[in-house]
Amino acid sequence: NAGVTQTPKFRILKIGQSMTLQCAQDMNHNYMYWYRQDPGMGLKLIYYSVGAGITDKGEVPNGYNVSRSTTEDFPLRLELAAPSQTSVYFCASSYSRRVGEKLFFGSGTQLSVL
Amino acid sequence: TQLLEQSPQFLSIQEGENLTVYCNSSSVFSSLQWYRQEPGEGPVLLVTVVTGGEVKKLKRLTFQFGDARKDSSLHITAAQPGDTGLYLCAAEGPDNAGNMLTFGGGTRLMVKP
Repeated sequence: NAGVTQTPKFRILKIGQSMTLQCAQDMNHNYMYWYRQDPGMGLKLIYYSVGAGITDKGEVPNGYNVSRSTTEDFPLRLELAAPSQTSVYFCASSYSRRVGEKLFFGSGTQLSVL
Repeated sequence: TQLLEQSPQFLSIQEGENLTVYCNSSSVFSSLQWYRQEPGEGPVLLVTVVTGGEVKKLKRLTFQFGDARKDSSLHITAAQPGDTGLYLCAAEGPDNAGNMLTFGGGTRLMVKP
């Protein structure tokens, strides 16, 4: 199993450009998440999904959109990139949301908006 | 969303020394997890604690959950250079939207040989 796969690994955007961060998991997990990690900070939840066709906002959803058309894929869309969106983005998945359920993380996408 | 505070933020020690990292909140947790993250990688789960007062050991790492389930600590005995990394605590509780995990700011540990 590859686990959680994120692409691209690195990306530089100009202000106002758009892009999609890809995330795929091959563990048949129902739950998927997008987090961002700013330097010296913890991870903040952007969006999450409890299954195909169902998404919901996390703590910091502004400026982002998501979709979940399949169980495997959970892309994150930036429509009008801003410098404040410079961060490292992590996708994660879990089988359920039982108390203490383990999250599996991808290796991240480092995004710079200049 | 509950706020998790980790201390210290940075820690640089010599190989063989002991250290303790703390994770505190004013809210009660349903559970608390500790993750370790290496540069260029995502966090990897070390342990989950769910019961107040619970102590778990993972080789040289000892994890403790506070009796009131508002705080946790990670103690490393005889640190090794391989322990270098970012240690993150993450908690879930009724104050979090959708019962999702909230992460602390992390403790960056460097163990010098």
